[in-house]
Amino acid sequence: QSVLTQPPSVSGAPGQRVTISCTGSSSNIGAGYDVHWYQQLPGTAPKLLIYGNNNRPSGVPDRFSGSKSGTSASLAITGLQAEDEAGYFCQSYDSSLSGSWVFGGGTQLTVL
Amino acid sequence: EVQLVESGGGLVQPGRSLTLSCAASGFTFDDYGMHWVRQAPGKGLEWVSGISWNSGSIGYADSVKGRFTISRANAKNSLYLQMNSLGPEDTALYYCVKNMGSSWLDDGFDLWGQGTRVTVSS
Repeated sequence: QSVLTQPPSVSGAPGQRVTISCTGSSSNIGAGYDVHWYQQLPGTAPKLLIYGNNNRPSGVPDRFSGSKSGTSASLAITGLQAEDEAGYFCQSYDSSLSGSWVFGGGTQLTVL
Repeated sequence: EVQLVESGGGLVQPGRSLTLSCAASGFTFDDYGMHWVRQAPGKGLEWVSGISWNSGSIGYADSVKGRFTISRANAKNSLYLQMNSLGPEDTALYYCVKNMGSSWLDDGFDLWGQGTRVTVSS
């Protein structure tokens, strides 16, 4: 069971907006640590999608956005495209025990 | 070209050791923290270990602490992971990953290799 909780799957039609939630606790997101998001296309390595809660690396379309509030974070994708069909993972730092990076279990996005 | 290329994976018996290597190119390796992240077949991502730019700060996941050792050779633009006492639970694709900053404690992971597969089985 992952320290950060994500829905296993979400879906949407082309052009629609979807959101993916990431729920943590007072030792990670709630402690003020940043949340990062990664996209993993089938058969490929993960790619940084959002860093520092709501920042996009160069080359990432502005259809992707991130937010954070309290012990949770969300990734929003607007104007869904077929190429967005992928796995999405959230990440944060956790200060419990000896401290470590933790990931959500991942959310599979299906574009209908 | 900016890239990370892992090597050293393979099939290993339980209890044995294996060392993974990662060759970095296209960026100033010794400016950045580095990590190993693994992904078991059909599963999510698990952070394994991180190291700061000068090896002055190192961290491990509880699942590997005392068994795995991360190191780097900046002169060779290389990252390593020495894995001892391997068990079936260590079977995964191991990614070499670049940190956005010089530490391993903050910032996102902005460059990933393609991974090297480790299978622990008798």
